[in-house]
Amino acid sequence: EPEVTQTPSHQVTQMGQEVILRCVPISNHLYFYWYRQILGQKVEFLVSFYNNEISEKSEIFDDQFSVERPDGSNFTLKIRSTKLEDSAMYFCASSDMLSGGARVETQYFGPGTRLLVL
Amino acid sequence: DAKTTQPPSMDCAEGRAANLPCNHSTISGNEYVYWYRQIHSQGPQYIIHGLKNNETNEMASLIITEDRKSSTLILPHATLRDTAVYYCIATHSGSARQLTFGSGTQLTVLP
Repeated sequence: EPEVTQTPSHQVTQMGQEVILRCVPISNHLYFYWYRQILGQKVEFLVSFYNNEISEKSEIFDDQFSVERPDGSNFTLKIRSTKLEDSAMYFCASSDMLSGGARVETQYFGPGTRLLVL
Repeated sequence: DAKTTQPPSMDCAEGRAANLPCNHSTISGNEYVYWYRQIHSQGPQYIIHGLKNNETNEMASLIITEDRKSSTLILPHATLRDTAVYYCIATHSGSARQLTFGSGTQLTVLP
């Protein structure tokens, strides 16, 4: 069964450093997302991406965040200058676009990257 | 998207059916009800979704009331591996919609 994969599974970085989190969405999916979950808190939406553009972003997704689809398979989240409060699990998700009738797409999530900023 | 309300926790005996309720009284006509679960800190796992009719797949059944103001996720024969946080989410159809996760229901399956 196709699945979303993410690398690395764990990342430790120093405050102020740049990190890139990588995701390989399900093949032929067209919509990509990033969510995060701070320990003990809810899963929060960060950004959605379609056709090489950001479709929607939350207030959390400020100028220090960026997303990119550098090739036909990867989808990345870059945090330019990490802060302590960026420590969280980061989940990538992807969804297809269904044709005909109501367009409903199910988002499938990857296993996450645990980011720890020291 | 409509707000959903779920009990914070529930227990279920292994092998019995787990019935997880969700209230979405302000749901609009074109909003779907989605269910996801999260085991420990793993990525949310899609379970099932529906609009009006009851739905069943290999994982679960979804019962939506006729007025669509509430729904119930049924795990017919709960196992220990079904222990997880279960999220009920109401969301419009359409592309690239963000999912708004609440606190969910912590289901504990007891041996």
